[in-house]
Amino acid sequence: GAGVSQSPSNKVTEKGKDVELRCDPISGHTALYWYRQSLGQGLEFLIYFQGNSAPDKSGLPSDRFSAERTGGSVSTLTIQRTQQEDSAVYLCASSLIRDTEAFFGQGTRLTVV
Amino acid sequence: QKEVEQDPGPLSVPEGAIVSLNCTYSNSAFQYFMWYRQYSRKGPELLMYTYSSGNKEDGRFTAQVDKSSKYISLFIRDSQPSDSATYLCAMTTNAGGTSYGKLTFGQGTILTVHP
Repeated sequence: GAGVSQSPSNKVTEKGKDVELRCDPISGHTALYWYRQSLGQGLEFLIYFQGNSAPDKSGLPSDRFSAERTGGSVSTLTIQRTQQEDSAVYLCASSLIRDTEAFFGQGTRLTVV
Repeated sequence: QKEVEQDPGPLSVPEGAIVSLNCTYSNSAFQYFMWYRQYSRKGPELLMYTYSSGNKEDGRFTAQVDKSSKYISLFIRDSQPSDSATYLCAMTTNAGGTSYGKLTFGQGTILTVHP
């Protein structure tokens, strides 16, 4: 596709349920990022995939959060046993590793009720 | 201390003003610098990308990098109400290891340009 695509655009879930958020990066981009943005806040780094290297998971806030990237393309961010404080916009971005401009998707707005 | 510091504002200016947005950083390994614009309820949009110290101009926007002072700026000339948004600086390093290419963001500055 022309840009980074995220789905769903909005997700409302009950506290305690698991959710999966999907990111389709720009074709050919080897780097993929997940960020979280709470209302009125900056971007909080979650996880970074770079080619076939081990991902940088240093930003994941708890072991309820996990992410994978299959075939070096699509990525899924999973949040288990969601809590109300998980409510935020989850943003995905991708970039070519040698050309480090990163392009963002429109985000998934997650609301935990 | 955060690696990247950015004044969150908010910043309010009249239409036509020159706007100056700034970030400072502490990691001398940062080599690539970006400015993003984010409208409400939208994803960040890349505005400017620079590598070396000096100025880069694109229309009404000028990005400035001073690596010796670890300071970057974004200038907006002839500001318009449509420039009202949150502006985020971001930077990355080409050092090795798992952080290679990883983006680090400032907190974002909220800008309002009023008619």
